[in-house]
Amino acid sequence: QLQLQESGPGLVKPSETLSLTCTVSGGSISSSSYYWGWIRQPPGKGLEWIGSIYYSGSTYYNPSLKSRVTISVDTSKNQFSLKLSSVTAADTAVYYCARSGEQHDAFDIWGQGTMVTVSS
Amino acid sequence: DIQMTQSPSSLSASVGDRVTITCRASQGISNYLAWYQQKPGKVPKLLIYAASTLQSGVPSRFSGSGSGTDFTLTISSLQPEDVATYYCQKYNSALFTFGPGTKVDIK
Repeated sequence: QLQLQESGPGLVKPSETLSLTCTVSGGSISSSSYYWGWIRQPPGKGLEWIGSIYYSGSTYYNPSLKSRVTISVDTSKNQFSLKLSSVTAADTAVYYCARSGEQHDAFDIWGQGTMVTVSS
Repeated sequence: DIQMTQSPSSLSASVGDRVTITCRASQGISNYLAWYQQKPGKVPKLLIYAASTLQSGVPSRFSGSGSGTDFTLTISSLQPEDVATYYCQKYNSALFTFGPGTKVDIK
């Protein structure tokens, strides 16, 4: 059973870079035809897709965040990562990692989410 | 960029009622549309993909329809455990935009 687990600092200072890692267990991140994605949810608000990386390494970003986002994969550790630069209080949110399905690209497996607060 | 809208933003219905939520894309997305359920304090759960295909394990009272720009999620008989916020999401062209959500509660 594939499982995803987010990890990283729960508190980040304004203007710094938020860095999170999603560890994949129960399966290989190199498996074909999957998108691995990051989604966030500010307190009391809706879901926002941040970006995704395809198993081939191609990356896709939300245009509204593209200038600040980098998503990468470390196949040796079976992990993928998110970096969001120049953060402000508006980046405070629960951050989820997720994987798309085998027969479709919707996200059918999600991590539990990790809360990140941007504050000095 | 394709924008996703949902209506209504919230609704209140009685147990056993038929509930319909609408999602609209600003441009055609064929059937690359998913619906998610998020209960308070929980992780989003995939209900439907490809506009109308029920994810394994999802109760049959949930159904989806539509293609192009207009989509609907229907709960045929609302149950207390269906209290949640429902999100649509487009996933064509590797851009995965969510709708703003529809909050459903029991009257």
